Amino acid sequence: SAVISQKPSRDICQRGTSLTIQCQVDSQVTMMFWYRQQPGQSLTLIATANQGSEATYESGFVIDKFPISRPNLTFSTLTVSNMSPEDSSIYLCSVVHSLNTEAFFGQGTRLTVV
Amino acid sequence: AQSVTQLDSHVSVSEGTPVLLRCNYSSSYSPSLFWYVQHPNKGLQLLLKYTSAATLVKGINGFEAEFKKSETSFHLTKPSAHMSDAAEYFCVVIQSGGSYIPTFGRGTSLIVHP
Repeated sequence: SAVISQKPSRDICQRGTSLTIQCQVDSQVTMMFWYRQQPGQSLTLIATANQGSEATYESGFVIDKFPISRPNLTFSTLTVSNMSPEDSSIYLCSVVHSLNTEAFFGQGTRLTVV
Repeated sequence: AQSVTQLDSHVSVSEGTPVLLRCNYSSSYSPSLFWYVQHPNKGLQLLLKYTSAATLVKGINGFEAEFKKSETSFHLTKPSAHMSDAAEYFCVVIQSGGSYIPTFGRGTSLIVHP
Protein backbone atom coordinates (compact mmCIF):
# COMPACT_ATOMS: atom_id res chain seq x y z
CA SER A 1 0.00 0.00 0.00
CA ALA A 2 0.95 3.66 -0.08
CA VAL A 3 0.13 6.52 2.23
CA ILE A 4 -0.04 9.94 0.63
CA SER A 5 0.32 13.18 2.53
CA GLN A 6 -1.02 16.14 0.61
CA LYS A 7 -0.64 19.72 1.81
CA PRO A 8 -2.38 22.05 2.27
CA SER A 9 -5.75 20.42 2.77
CA ARG A 10 -7.53 23.64 1.88
CA ASP A 11 -6.77 27.25 1.12
CA ILE A 12 -8.49 30.47 0.16
CA CYS A 13 -6.41 32.54 -2.21
CA GLN A 14 -6.62 35.92 -3.88
CA ARG A 15 -6.94 36.02 -7.63
CA GLY A 16 -3.68 36.59 -9.43
CA THR A 17 -1.61 34.76 -6.83
CA SER A 18 -0.14 31.24 -6.99
CA LEU A 19 -0.45 28.22 -4.71
CA THR A 20 1.91 25.27 -4.50
CA ILE A 21 0.48 21.93 -3.41
CA GLN A 22 2.77 19.23 -2.07
CA CYS A 23 2.38 15.47 -2.35
CA GLN A 24 4.55 13.14 -0.27
CA VAL A 25 4.37 9.35 -0.57
CA ASP A 26 5.69 6.93 2.02
CA SER A 27 7.21 4.59 -0.58
CA GLN A 28 8.97 4.88 -3.89
CA VAL A 29 6.49 4.81 -6.75
CA THR A 30 6.99 5.09 -10.45
CA MET A 31 3.70 6.65 -11.48
CA MET A 32 2.40 9.84 -9.94
CA PHE A 33 -0.47 11.91 -11.26
CA TRP A 34 -2.28 15.17 -10.54
CA TYR A 35 -6.04 15.53 -10.92
CA ARG A 36 -8.56 18.33 -10.70
CA GLN A 37 -12.12 17.88 -9.48
CA GLN A 38 -14.32 20.84 -10.25
CA PRO A 39 -17.49 21.29 -8.17
CA GLY A 40 -19.96 18.53 -8.89
CA GLN A 41 -17.70 16.90 -11.47
CA SER A 42 -15.55 13.82 -11.82
CA LEU A 43 -11.78 13.81 -11.65
CA THR A 44 -9.89 15.11 -14.65
CA LEU A 45 -6.24 14.28 -15.19
CA ILE A 46 -4.01 17.36 -15.29
CA ALA A 47 -0.66 15.68 -15.88
CA THR A 48 1.65 12.80 -15.19
CA ALA A 49 4.52 13.86 -12.95
CA ASN A 50 7.74 12.40 -14.32
CA GLN A 51 10.70 12.01 -12.05
CA GLY A 52 13.61 14.15 -13.16
CA SER A 53 11.94 15.46 -16.31
CA GLU A 54 9.09 17.66 -17.48
CA ALA A 55 5.57 16.54 -16.67
CA THR A 56 3.29 15.18 -19.38
CA TYR A 57 0.21 17.39 -19.63
CA GLU A 58 -3.25 16.45 -20.82
CA SER A 59 -5.12 18.43 -23.40
CA GLY A 60 -6.34 21.70 -21.92
CA PHE A 61 -3.62 21.96 -19.31
CA VAL A 62 -0.33 23.81 -19.83
CA ILE A 63 2.91 24.03 -17.94
CA ASP A 64 2.76 27.79 -17.50
CA LYS A 65 -0.51 27.51 -15.61
CA PHE A 66 0.19 24.26 -13.75
CA PRO A 67 3.94 23.82 -13.30
CA ILE A 68 4.82 20.47 -11.76
CA SER A 69 8.00 19.29 -10.16
CA ARG A 70 9.04 15.78 -9.20
CA PRO A 71 12.58 15.74 -7.87
CA ASN A 72 12.45 12.12 -6.64
CA LEU A 73 10.23 9.03 -6.48
CA THR A 74 8.38 10.06 -3.33
CA PHE A 75 7.62 13.78 -3.75
CA SER A 76 5.90 16.08 -6.20
CA THR A 77 4.46 19.58 -6.26
CA LEU A 78 1.73 21.18 -8.35
CA THR A 79 1.53 24.95 -8.61
CA VAL A 80 -1.64 26.69 -9.67
CA SER A 81 -0.42 29.96 -11.15
CA ASN A 82 -2.08 33.34 -11.63
CA MET A 83 -5.27 32.01 -10.10
CA SER A 84 -8.78 33.04 -11.06
CA PRO A 85 -12.10 32.01 -9.50
CA GLU A 86 -12.43 29.37 -12.23
CA ASP A 87 -9.50 27.54 -10.64
CA SER A 88 -11.56 26.87 -7.51
CA SER A 89 -11.52 23.08 -7.34
CA ILE A 90 -10.18 20.13 -5.44
CA TYR A 91 -6.71 19.08 -6.57
CA LEU A 92 -5.62 15.51 -5.90
CA CYS A 93 -2.37 13.63 -6.08
CA SER A 94 -2.44 9.96 -7.08
CA VAL A 95 0.15 7.21 -7.25
CA VAL A 96 0.00 3.82 -8.91
CA HIS A 97 2.10 0.78 -8.13
CA SER A 98 2.97 -0.94 -11.39
CA LEU A 99 3.43 -4.30 -9.66
CA ASN A 100 -0.18 -4.67 -8.56
CA THR A 101 -1.76 -1.83 -10.55
CA GLU A 102 -3.36 -0.33 -7.48
CA ALA A 103 -4.11 3.37 -7.23
CA PHE A 104 -3.87 5.51 -4.13
CA PHE A 105 -5.12 9.04 -3.67
CA GLY A 106 -4.30 11.92 -1.40
CA GLN A 107 -7.08 13.54 0.55
CA GLY A 108 -7.05 16.47 -1.83
CA THR A 109 -6.53 20.21 -1.60
CA ARG A 110 -9.71 22.24 -1.63
CA LEU A 111 -8.85 25.55 -3.30
CA THR A 112 -11.12 28.58 -3.28
CA VAL A 113 -10.07 31.63 -5.28
CA VAL A 114 -11.68 34.92 -4.36
CA ALA B 1 -6.71 3.65 -25.02
CA GLN B 2 -8.99 3.16 -22.05
CA SER B 3 -12.29 4.64 -21.03
CA VAL B 4 -15.02 4.23 -18.47
CA THR B 5 -18.73 4.80 -18.89
CA GLN B 6 -20.98 5.09 -15.89
CA LEU B 7 -24.38 4.64 -17.35
CA ASP B 8 -26.36 6.58 -14.76
CA SER B 9 -25.61 10.03 -13.42
CA HIS B 10 -28.12 9.52 -10.60
CA VAL B 11 -29.61 6.43 -8.97
CA SER B 12 -32.40 6.75 -6.45
CA VAL B 13 -33.40 3.88 -4.14
CA SER B 14 -35.33 3.38 -0.96
CA GLU B 15 -33.57 2.31 2.19
CA GLY B 16 -33.45 -1.48 2.42
CA THR B 17 -33.77 -2.06 -1.33
CA PRO B 18 -30.99 -3.30 -3.65
CA VAL B 19 -28.46 -0.99 -5.24
CA LEU B 20 -27.10 -1.34 -8.78
CA LEU B 21 -24.58 1.14 -10.16
CA ARG B 22 -23.51 0.37 -13.71
CA CYS B 23 -20.06 0.68 -15.20
CA ASN B 24 -18.73 -0.33 -18.61
CA TYR B 25 -15.10 -0.06 -19.59
CA SER B 26 -12.89 -0.13 -22.61
CA SER B 27 -9.26 -1.21 -22.40
CA SER B 28 -6.65 -2.45 -24.85
CA TYR B 29 -4.85 -4.40 -22.14
CA SER B 30 -5.92 -6.38 -19.11
CA PRO B 31 -7.67 -3.83 -16.94
CA SER B 32 -7.66 -3.29 -13.23
CA LEU B 33 -11.00 -1.92 -12.12
CA PHE B 34 -11.97 -0.05 -9.00
CA TRP B 35 -14.96 1.50 -7.33
CA TYR B 36 -14.45 4.54 -5.13
CA VAL B 37 -16.96 6.38 -2.98
CA GLN B 38 -16.86 10.06 -2.14
CA HIS B 39 -19.09 11.41 0.58
CA PRO B 40 -19.84 15.15 0.55
CA ASN B 41 -16.76 17.19 1.31
CA LYS B 42 -14.71 14.05 1.88
CA GLY B 43 -11.85 12.32 0.08
CA LEU B 44 -12.00 9.24 -2.12
CA GLN B 45 -12.45 5.92 -0.35
CA LEU B 46 -11.72 2.61 -2.06
CA LEU B 47 -14.75 0.29 -2.01
CA LEU B 48 -13.29 -2.63 -3.92
CA LYS B 49 -10.90 -3.59 -6.69
CA TYR B 50 -10.51 -6.18 -9.42
CA THR B 51 -6.97 -7.02 -10.46
CA SER B 52 -7.32 -10.26 -12.47
CA ALA B 53 -8.10 -12.59 -9.59
CA ALA B 54 -11.64 -13.68 -8.73
CA THR B 55 -14.25 -12.09 -10.97
CA LEU B 56 -16.67 -11.53 -8.09
CA VAL B 57 -15.12 -8.99 -5.79
CA LYS B 58 -16.36 -8.20 -2.33
CA GLY B 59 -15.68 -4.83 -0.83
CA ILE B 60 -16.40 -2.84 2.25
CA ASN B 61 -19.83 -2.00 3.66
CA GLY B 62 -21.54 -4.91 1.89
CA PHE B 63 -20.74 -3.80 -1.64
CA GLU B 64 -19.62 -6.19 -4.33
CA ALA B 65 -18.93 -6.08 -8.04
CA GLU B 66 -18.60 -8.65 -10.78
CA PHE B 67 -16.10 -8.39 -13.59
CA LYS B 68 -17.67 -9.61 -16.85
CA LYS B 69 -15.14 -9.58 -19.63
CA SER B 70 -17.64 -10.59 -22.32
CA GLU B 71 -19.82 -7.62 -21.43
CA THR B 72 -16.92 -5.29 -20.52
CA SER B 73 -18.80 -4.45 -17.37
CA PHE B 74 -18.01 -4.01 -13.70
CA HIS B 75 -21.33 -3.19 -12.04
CA LEU B 76 -21.48 -2.37 -8.34
CA THR B 77 -24.22 -3.91 -6.21
CA LYS B 78 -25.43 -4.01 -2.65
CA PRO B 79 -28.35 -6.13 -1.43
CA SER B 80 -29.81 -3.53 0.91
CA ALA B 81 -29.19 0.20 0.81
CA HIS B 82 -28.51 2.19 3.94
CA MET B 83 -28.98 5.91 4.38
CA SER B 84 -25.23 6.26 4.92
CA ASP B 85 -24.61 4.91 1.40
CA ALA B 86 -25.79 8.19 -0.11
CA ALA B 87 -22.70 9.53 -1.87
CA GLU B 88 -20.96 9.88 -5.21
CA TYR B 89 -19.52 6.69 -6.68
CA PHE B 90 -16.73 6.53 -9.24
CA CYS B 91 -15.73 3.61 -11.43
CA VAL B 92 -12.03 3.71 -12.32
CA VAL B 93 -9.97 1.69 -14.81
CA ILE B 94 -6.22 1.28 -14.95
CA GLN B 95 -4.76 -0.33 -18.01
CA SER B 96 -1.88 -2.52 -16.92
CA GLY B 97 0.86 -2.67 -19.50
CA GLY B 98 -0.10 0.75 -20.70
CA SER B 99 0.25 4.17 -19.15
CA TYR B 100 -1.09 3.08 -15.74
CA ILE B 101 -3.16 6.27 -15.63
CA PRO B 102 -6.32 5.89 -13.54
CA THR B 103 -9.25 6.91 -15.73
CA PHE B 104 -12.44 7.97 -13.97
CA GLY B 105 -16.04 7.61 -14.98
CA ARG B 106 -18.25 10.67 -14.66
CA GLY B 107 -19.63 9.46 -11.34
CA THR B 108 -23.02 8.24 -10.14
CA SER B 109 -24.83 10.01 -7.38
CA LEU B 110 -26.64 7.51 -5.15
CA ILE B 111 -29.69 8.92 -3.42
CA VAL B 112 -31.25 6.88 -0.63
CA HIS B 113 -34.79 7.66 0.49
CA PRO B 114 -36.04 6.70 3.95
